[in-house]
Amino acid sequence: QKEVEQDPGPLSVPEGAIVSLNCTYSNSAFQYFMWYRQYSRKGPELLMYTYSSGNKEDGRFTAQVDKSSKYISLFIRDSQPSDSATYLCAMSASDTGRRALTFGSGTRLQVQP
Amino acid sequence: GAGVSQTPSNKVTEKGKYVELRCDPISGHTALYWYRQSLGQGPEFLIYFQGTGAADDSGLPNDRFFAVRPEGSVSTLKIQRTERGDSAVYLCASSLSRQGNPGLSYNEQFFGPGTRLTVL
Repeated sequence: QKEVEQDPGPLSVPEGAIVSLNCTYSNSAFQYFMWYRQYSRKGPELLMYTYSSGNKEDGRFTAQVDKSSKYISLFIRDSQPSDSATYLCAMSASDTGRRALTFGSGTRLQVQP
Repeated sequence: GAGVSQTPSNKVTEKGKYVELRCDPISGHTALYWYRQSLGQGPEFLIYFQGTGAADDSGLPNDRFFAVRPEGSVSTLKIQRTERGDSAVYLCASSLSRQGNPGLSYNEQFFGPGTRLTVL
């Protein structure tokens, strides 16, 4: 079983919909939780990071972390066709020392105009 | 400023050949990472450099893979005796290594566009 599980989709929604993406994980040492967006044939770019449990909001994006359930979510409000991409969750045990990220497999999102 | 750059963008080689993939990190970033992304999967960690030294190479799949960063800037990932299973996108990322309060600061990893390696 992988350390980080993510539904690969694809997920297709109409423009303006609220999108919910999520990941589960098994390693209780993870403290940093990130969401990356990856367009086709591009490198991942960081959308948001959260430290430990809680919520974080940035514009149309909200990240939630529930460490007790080992479950993280990303919500996208008022989705736009330009949001169509693969969304990767990523986690790490610390921001110092071993900084390698453990990624989920990614969820492909298509927002229909 | 310039982001992380990787060359070549595409590399096609034959089984058994040797390849080198290059990464130019963001200027001033002391940490450099290599990841491998297979089709339909998320990136998988290969190796991490802090300055010139490999701080963690636990993700390298076997001894055919080797990476260097001799001057603490540019890094080269080297793959000997390539196999068809090595076909993937090889991603490089770099970050600062600032010490800070957890949650208040974060050393973001900036990714390059990747090198798409195809082994025939």
